[in-house]
Amino acid sequence: GAVVSQHPSRVICKSGTSVKIECRSLDFQATTMFWYRQFPKQSLMLMATSNEGSKATYEQGVEKDKFLINHASLTLSTLTVTSAHPEDSSFYICSASGQAEGFGQGTRLTVV
Amino acid sequence: KQEVTQIPAALSVPEGENLVLNCSFTDSAIYNLQWFRQDPGKGLTSLLLIQSSQREQTSGRLNASLDKSSGRSTLYIAASQPGDSATYLCAVGDDGGTSYGKLTFGQGTILTVHP
Repeated sequence: GAVVSQHPSRVICKSGTSVKIECRSLDFQATTMFWYRQFPKQSLMLMATSNEGSKATYEQGVEKDKFLINHASLTLSTLTVTSAHPEDSSFYICSASGQAEGFGQGTRLTVV
Repeated sequence: KQEVTQIPAALSVPEGENLVLNCSFTDSAIYNLQWFRQDPGKGLTSLLLIQSSQREQTSGRLNASLDKSSGRSTLYIAASQPGDSATYLCAVGDDGGTSYGKLTFGQGTILTVHP
């Protein structure tokens, strides 16, 4: 499949700080990117959908002011977890869709 | 709201066995269904994608079936190998625009194949 790179793969941050996660489509242009979250022993849940150049659409229950999504180019989307708290600790994964499709490797976020 | 359920939650089998993983979904108005493999700490690998108009897809030792009307899908793995050990996720696509968009995932089946 198409190559989607997600960075970082793991991050530990202090409570109250912000963390940025990048999702890049390396060999294709992605008009749409999706961000998912997976809590331990639970299924992946869609958080938001972002289209290049426009505001992201958030799923019900996801705070848009806490999870800032930027999709400024056809190859890059970022998810910023602002003022992170321990309950935000989770596995975050992106998928990109456009000329091709693929999932990133995921980011394990731990807030201490 | 679409709900996806996978049974069993975990499965341990000896090498060489044939096995079946089950997936059910509540809303039959789907565009596609996919089976993914997830290895610990890693992303998702798409194994098989079945469009709503199709009944099955095959890739190597894997065969996935889809019965949209009854809301069920199965993933059949033939002659299992230790390298098949992973979490298998079933995901239903509710958005016709892309096969990776607006996926509703099941909780997964953790498969362990022991030598």
